[in-house]
Amino acid sequence: QKEVEQDPGPLSVPEGAIVSLNCTYSNSAFQYFMWYRQYSRKGPELLMYTYSSGNKEDGRFTAQVDKSSKYISLFIRDSQPSDSATYLCAMSAPSGGSNYKLTFGKGTLLTVNP
Amino acid sequence: DAGITQSPRHKVTETGTPVTLRCHQTENHRYMYWYRQDPGHGLRLIHYSYGVKDTDKGEVSDGYSVSRSKTEDFLLTLESATSSQTSVYFCAIRPQSSYEQYFGPGTRLTVT
Repeated sequence: QKEVEQDPGPLSVPEGAIVSLNCTYSNSAFQYFMWYRQYSRKGPELLMYTYSSGNKEDGRFTAQVDKSSKYISLFIRDSQPSDSATYLCAMSAPSGGSNYKLTFGKGTLLTVNP
Repeated sequence: DAGITQSPRHKVTETGTPVTLRCHQTENHRYMYWYRQDPGHGLRLIHYSYGVKDTDKGEVSDGYSVSRSKTEDFLLTLESATSSQTSVYFCAIRPQSSYEQYFGPGTRLTVT
C-alpha cells in the first residue's frame, strides 16, 4: 500500500460547480498537510496548508483533514476555468531538522469547462 | 514567488553526456530539494541539502549527484545521462521552522 493515494482523474466539471479533491494516507504519523496547484508546464504552487484536523478556509478553497480516517480533502466553491490544473496533496510527519521530507500524491487533473 | 530560479529551463542532451542543472535562491534558506516529476510517478525526491556542503539522498538518487558550495546555489549533476533521466526537474526550498516547500519553475530535460 502506498503511503499516499490520490485519484488521478481526470475530473471535468462545469463552471460554478463545487469540486471535491481527496487523498488518503496510511502513515498515522503524518500531521502536516498541504495542497499544491500545478498549471501545465509550471512548478507546483502552494495553495493551502494545515497542521491540524478540521477545516481551513481561504476564499473559495477549503482544506479538510480527518486524521481518524486518514483522509484529506480540498473543496473548491464556484469553480472557474482558471482553476483548471493538477492538484497535488502532500504531507509530512514531524521530524527534527535535516531529515524532514514531504510525501506527495500523484495529483488529480481538474478541468473546469466554461 | 519564492525567489527560486532554475537554469537551464530546457535542455536536450545525448546519452552518456554529463549535465548540470542549477537551482538559485535569493532568500538564504537552509533547506533545498531536487525532485523529478514523471507521468504515473508524481514528484520523487532525488537529493536534498540542509546546509552548505550538507546533502543527503532521496528515494531516486542513483545516477545523480549534488553539490552545495554556497547557500544560494544547489547543483544537480547527471554524470552520464541516460534516456530514463528524461524528466522535468524541480528545485524546492523550505523555510526554517516550516513544513511547506516552495518550488521553482522547473527544467525540462530530454536525453536522446
